[in-house]
Amino acid sequence: DAEITQSPRHKITETGRQVTLACHQTWNHNNMFWYRQDLGHGLRLIHYSYGVHDTNKGEVSDGYSVSRSNTEDLPLTLESAASSQTSVYFCASSGLADMSSYNEQFFGPGTRLTVL
Amino acid sequence: GQQVMQIPQYQHVQEGEDFTTYCNSSTTLSNIQWYKQRPGGHPVFLIQLVKSGEVKKQKRLTFQFGEAKKNSSLHITATQTTDVGTYFCAVLNSGGYQKVTFGIGTKLQVIP
Repeated sequence: DAEITQSPRHKITETGRQVTLACHQTWNHNNMFWYRQDLGHGLRLIHYSYGVHDTNKGEVSDGYSVSRSNTEDLPLTLESAASSQTSVYFCASSGLADMSSYNEQFFGPGTRLTVL
Repeated sequence: GQQVMQIPQYQHVQEGEDFTTYCNSSTTLSNIQWYKQRPGGHPVFLIQLVKSGEVKKQKRLTFQFGEAKKNSSLHITATQTTDVGTYFCAVLNSGGYQKVTFGIGTKLQVIP
């Protein structure tokens, strides 16, 4: 069965360190997204990609970067981790846009990141 | 992008009572999606509405899209403990792309 996985599931790091969170999907979806989830803020979009070599900034992109070298993976990098980046991070993917059918996003299980 | 406001943020109900969460926008929405996130889990897609006045049902869940396409609601009849979680509305970006803007979510607690 197709799936979307994230690793690691839990990560503790120190302020200033570079951290990379992995996201891998086997849906063959063109679109991939990274969100962070914090109490009182819901799901906020960090970065997204509509295909290989395409990346776009979301509403909370400062301090984060992504790259898309293949269809399956969209790693999220925190260049220099800050305590404000302690959060739960979700990766999601979706297929081609078609308003006549469901265009749901499929979410990974999430990564809980703590920055000390 | 299109923005949505979701209310209430929290709701406690006694098991068996009904529950409703609302999603509102100041602009006309092209569509609305609903997701459910169980405690400790990830959001899972429930449904998408695109037509004015559309009503869809999934067992005890009823989803409505307003006539003016500026609001939507999710109603759960006779809540069960399995309904516990956070319910998000979301708007799919129109124009052929898949970016989605999520509401803040309504966290439902069901008291047995």
